[in-house]
Amino acid sequence: QQQVKQSPQSLIVQKGGISIINCAYENTAFDYFPWYQQFPGKGPALLIAIRPDVSEKKEGRFTISFNKSAKQFSLHIMDSQPGDSATYFCAASIRRNTPLVFGKGTRLSVIA
Amino acid sequence: NAGVTQTPKFRVLKTGQSMTLLCAQDMNHEYMYWYRQDPGMGLRLIHYSVGEGTTAKGEVPDGYNVSRLKKQNFLLGLESAAPSQTSVYFCASSYSPGGLDIQYFGAGTRLSVL
Repeated sequence: QQQVKQSPQSLIVQKGGISIINCAYENTAFDYFPWYQQFPGKGPALLIAIRPDVSEKKEGRFTISFNKSAKQFSLHIMDSQPGDSATYFCAASIRRNTPLVFGKGTRLSVIA
Repeated sequence: NAGVTQTPKFRVLKTGQSMTLLCAQDMNHEYMYWYRQDPGMGLRLIHYSVGEGTTAKGEVPDGYNVSRLKKQNFLLGLESAAPSQTSVYFCASSYSPGGLDIQYFGAGTRLSVL
C-alpha cells in the first residue's frame, strides 16, 4: 500500500515558469512533510519541510503548500531555472526521528 | 567532515554471491537508514537503526541483514544475491535540529546482480 502518492512522474517547464509537484497521503498520523531534491549520481538532499500546524512555508523560490483536510501537500518552484532540473521526492513521517515514507519521485526538466 | 560515506560505489555480483555494503558517518548521528532506489519506485526503506547495537526492519527487508556495532558504521549484507536486488543503495543518517528531521544521504552504491 503506497502511503504517499506523488504526481506527476515527470514534468517539463520553461525557464522562468512555475513548477508544481503534488503529493497526497493516507495516514493521518503523519506530522512531518519534507521534500528532497536529487541530482543525477548523487544522494537526495533536504530541500524544504513543513509540519501540519502551518499551511505554507516559503524558502526563496521554493514553497510548500499544505492542506490538512484534503491530506495533500505540494511543492511550488517559482522562476524555475535549468539548475533546478532534478528528481524531487515528497516524504512523510509520523514523528521526529522515525523513518520517512517517500513518494515515487518527479523528474523535473527546466528548458531554456 | 565527510558526512556520509558509502563503499563501494559500484559492484557487480553473480547470483548467489554475498557482499557487505559499508556506510560510515562522521556527524555523531544516532539514527541511520538503508534504502534502495529503483526506477519509478522512489526510495524504499530496507532496515534502520536508532542507535548503536539496534536494528529494525523497514518496508523491504527480505534478503538483507544489517549490523550497527559502532555508532558511526551501519553495514548492509546480502547473503545470497539475487537479480531482484539489482538497485542503487543509499545510506542515510539523521538528526533533529529544532523542528526539522534532516536525513543526510551518501552518494549511493550501484549494485548489479547477474
